[in-house]
Amino acid sequence: EDKVVQSPLSLVVHEGDTVTLNCSYEVTNFRSLLWYKQEKKAPTFLFMLTSSGIEKKSGRLSSILDKKELFSILNITATQTGDSAIYLCAVEEGSGGGADGLTFGKGTHLIIQP
Amino acid sequence: DVKVTQSSRYLVKRTGEKVFLECVQDMDHENMFWYRQDPGLGLRLIYFSYDVKMKEKGDIPEGYSVSREKKERFSLILESASTNQTSMYLCASSPLGRGNTEAFFGQGTRLTVV
Repeated sequence: EDKVVQSPLSLVVHEGDTVTLNCSYEVTNFRSLLWYKQEKKAPTFLFMLTSSGIEKKSGRLSSILDKKELFSILNITATQTGDSAIYLCAVEEGSGGGADGLTFGKGTHLIIQP
Repeated sequence: DVKVTQSSRYLVKRTGEKVFLECVQDMDHENMFWYRQDPGLGLRLIYFSYDVKMKEKGDIPEGYSVSREKKERFSLILESASTNQTSMYLCASSPLGRGNTEAFFGQGTRLTVV
């Protein structure tokens, strides 16, 4: 079973809309949750979340983590065509001083129509 | 399901050793990538390849080389390992195609150089 589940798998909206992307996880020894945006070839890092309830914000993007309910959301407001991409969620596990690895979700393919 | 398989989950090597990280994908993808993941820095692209025997430098190629002799296999080589190359290494593959941004990641290799 997948440890990290993203929804929806794909989403088509119009410019100016607000979107919410979801990521739920089930891992032992949770360390952090990361969001990436992937365009063309290389994913780019968006946020790293380690604590519940603290919103991370960057421009029109924001994200929050709920460690009790084991999920995170990524919000994008006033979407633009340049926001079209695959958004990847990944969970880092670790115990003690080191991380055990990254587990990625399958991604949400977001398409913004003009 | 697409499988991207990295040969080792954990490696410990000594400073100065030559290190090979192997990655194999079974979906006939043209593109393959090597990233490293460090806390607070997200995924950083080391090298990528669009075809057999073709390679291009990513953002941080120094200290690394790659080899792509067969389409399904992309190797990352540390010619002389150093402690600052201790990191999580992720391989990814994706099909070639205009507008296709989907990438599939391996589970990662955590390399420790002592």
